Amino acid sequence: DGGITQSPKYLFRKEGQNVTLSCEQNLNHDAMYWYRQDPGQGLRLIYYSQIVNDFQKGDIAEGYSVSREKKESFPLTVTSAQKNPTAFYLCASSFTRRDRLLHFGNGTRLTVT
Amino acid sequence: QQQVKQSPQSLIVQKGGISIINCAYENTAFDYFPWYQQFPGKGPALLIAIRPDVSEKKEGRFTISFNKSAKQFSLHIMDSQPGDSATYFCAASMGSGNNAGNMLTFGGGTRLMVKP
Repeated sequence: DGGITQSPKYLFRKEGQNVTLSCEQNLNHDAMYWYRQDPGQGLRLIYYSQIVNDFQKGDIAEGYSVSREKKESFPLTVTSAQKNPTAFYLCASSFTRRDRLLHFGNGTRLTVT
Repeated sequence: QQQVKQSPQSLIVQKGGISIINCAYENTAFDYFPWYQQFPGKGPALLIAIRPDVSEKKEGRFTISFNKSAKQFSLHIMDSQPGDSATYFCAASMGSGNNAGNMLTFGGGTRLMVKP
């Protein structure tokens, strides 16, 4: 079955620690995205990548970093510089950067205390 | 600045009733308006989408109504069922062709509960 796998489902970290969220897809999609979901604020774009070894900042990139070394993988690091990191993080992909149909993973809920 | 405003934030409907969720947008360059459905603990999934050259699109019990002059669009769920209980997001994008031109801008979401 093709899809997007995010792991872990739940993640707990102490304040001041960096944490990396995993996102893997086997859909052979070129484009991948990271969104942050907070109650009442919808989905906000953190970073996106249109092709391997290339990525761009989204609307709320501060305190986050990404890499795209392989087509299948787009990990997100939440750094200690992110002021309010507790949230539900969603990874998505699309066939190409022009394809507006997004396929989402099931998310990682990050809690930082 | 939220370019797509969604209301209400939460909605309770009796089984068999009509659920209506509204969205308003500001950017007249938007030309694609999808609705995503998200169940608890899951990622959103595309439910239905419309382009501004039509005023209505229906798929089963789900209908999008689109008012270009008012810059508004809405989702109607007919004969709502408890299994429809989920969070619904409207979104909009423009196909300008540049790097960020096809990025979806999402509304704030509506949590729908359908009571048996």
